[in-house]
Parts: sequence; C-alpha cells; structure tokens
Amino acid sequence: QVYLVQSGAEVKKPGASVRVSCKASGYTFTSYGINWVRQATGQGLEWMGWMHPNSGNTGYAQKFQGRVSMTRDTSMSTAYMELSSLTSEDTAVYYCARAVSDSERRWFDPWGQGTLVTVSS
Amino acid sequence: EIVLTQSPGTLSLSPGERATLSCRASQSVSSSYLAWYQQKPGQAPRLLIYGASSRATGIPDRFSGSGSGTDFTLTISRLEPEDFAVYYCQQFGNSAWTFGQGTKVEIK
Repeated sequence: QVYLVQSGAEVKKPGASVRVSCKASGYTFTSYGINWVRQATGQGLEWMGWMHPNSGNTGYAQKFQGRVSMTRDTSMSTAYMELSSLTSEDTAVYYCARAVSDSERRWFDPWGQGTLVTVSS
Repeated sequence: EIVLTQSPGTLSLSPGERATLSCRASQSVSSSYLAWYQQKPGQAPRLLIYGASSRATGIPDRFSGSGSGTDFTLTISRLEPEDFAVYYCQQFGNSAWTFGQGTKVEIK
C-alpha cells in the first residue's frame, strides 16, 4: 500500500515561515514526483508546485515563486514544503500528493492526509 | 494559466438518480492530463478518473468520465449515499496544474 503521511498542525505568527513534511512509504520514493496543493477553509484546491525526489528539481506556481521551497531527504523518503512570509491568507490545509504518469497520462495519487497551518497573531 | 470552470456549483439529487458534472476549460487541454477527484468533509481528495475517462483502481463503474478539447464530463450513473461529496476536475498544461472550483453533490 502506498501512503503519504504528513506532519501535524502548525500555528504561526504573521511573517514567520512554516515547514510541512510528507513521508512516503510503500513505493520507491525517488521514482515519483511530489506535488503540493493547499485548500483554505471552505474553498477549492490550489496547486503550489512540484519536486522530483530523484533530481531535486522543482517547479513552482507563479503565485508562490520566491516564497516557497520544496526539498527532500531521500534517506528518510520524506518531502518538505517551506512557505515563508506568512500572512493570514496562508491559513489553509496543505496536502502533498504523489504524481503518477504512464506513457501519456498524468494524475495525483495518493494524497497525504493534510496539514492545517493557521497563521494568527 | 488555463482556467477550469465547473458547473453547476451545487447539484441537489436523490439517491438512485443520475449526476452529470461539467468541467469547461478556458482553452483546449490534453485529455491525457484531465483528472477528476472526490472530496468528502475532513478528508483528502481521492482520485476517481484520469486521462479523462480511465477509472482509478477500486472506483465503481457507476463513475465515468468523457470529453475532449475544452469540455469534459463526470457522470455518476446512480447515486449511492456515499457519493454525496465535492468533485474537482484538474488539468496539466503550460507547465502548471489547475483545478476547477468544485461541484458539490448534495442530497435533495
């Protein structure tokens, strides 16, 4: 069984940074990309970017460039997403998701359970 | 950025009825990169359909996907109680993923 298990809830003050972890199990960590998606309360899904654990290559959504960093520790099969200069608008549940592809198609499966990040003074 | 617009925003139906959800793209997208997800309250999204029409492992055959170009559809042939949830379409294009805003399927 493939699992992605994320770190626990965080409360941060405006201006601070947060790092969320995503530990993979049940597959070869370096064979699949990891994407990060966030969801504000009652809102839809917002893609933040991707990281490939084998190369460390990343790609970020324009909205988050300069403020987000996606890294990995291959020895721990763990991906990390760090978001800086937090504001109240960053309060959301953050998900990691494995990127899967065959010769033509691409999709996300599975997803982590989500990590609630609350930004409050 | 390719914008996905889902309609309707909310669909009120009874168990046993057919649900038809629409996802329209602001420009043509590759069917290979169109997926659908189901999300229940307090849970992470779950993959239903990928490549516009292929069901994910373990997804019942009452779920089906179709479409091409700018218009895609998710159909639930007969709603079961566990199908009442929010559904999102997703696409990859121009080096970025985008999601629709979601369609909520609620019990009438």
